[in-house]
Amino acid sequence: KAGVTQTPRYLIKTRGQQVTLSCSPISGHRSVSWYQQTPGQGLQFLFEYFSETQRNKGNFPGRFSGRQFSNSRSEMNVSTLELGDSALYLCASTLTSGEDTQYFGPGTRLTVL
Amino acid sequence: QQQVKQSPQSLIVQKGGISIINCAYENTAFDYFPWYQQFPGKGPALLIAIRPDVSEKKEGRFTISFNKSAKQFSLHIMDSQPGDSATYFCAASNRGNYQLIWGAGTKLIIKP
Repeated sequence: KAGVTQTPRYLIKTRGQQVTLSCSPISGHRSVSWYQQTPGQGLQFLFEYFSETQRNKGNFPGRFSGRQFSNSRSEMNVSTLELGDSALYLCASTLTSGEDTQYFGPGTRLTVL
Repeated sequence: QQQVKQSPQSLIVQKGGISIINCAYENTAFDYFPWYQQFPGKGPALLIAIRPDVSEKKEGRFTISFNKSAKQFSLHIMDSQPGDSATYFCAASNRGNYQLIWGAGTKLIIKP
């Protein structure tokens, strides 16, 4: 069974630009969560989608948004990029709303210059 | 009250030794406590998890000890190997809200 895939793996943008990251969950998984990982702040929860609906949201500004498609694939978008948005963005999928185990993808390394 | 506090921040252990990482929580509604292992360039992967109805769970060289009254849980790695060198995260959640609350991580280095 294929794992969680994230594209692109690496991305370099400049301040003010916007970026879209993509996540394909494990086949059959319906829940997708997004995290931002930085050396100083650790893993911070961005949001979670289940059946195309945002179910939970972390404490991030409105510049961070996401969506989930009917095939469970998810995208997250960051508008008006800031230097502090440089981070590893991780996507995790879970089977259903009652499943606790999260399976992570390798992440997208975003660098904002 | 939503925090999970993890210590130490970094740990160096000799090969064959025991590595111990500790976590503490405040929210008594938490009922699921996983440990994740992350290697450089990879996403975290579930290592072992425990629920509060047991005080200990062992899988191979990895053991979680859980102290409900103290609101603490810890990961023990027996016979630590260089391949165990990674960053370890504890986390907690409850069934009413499936969002995992993460510890800050512990960078473990096993010296050969």
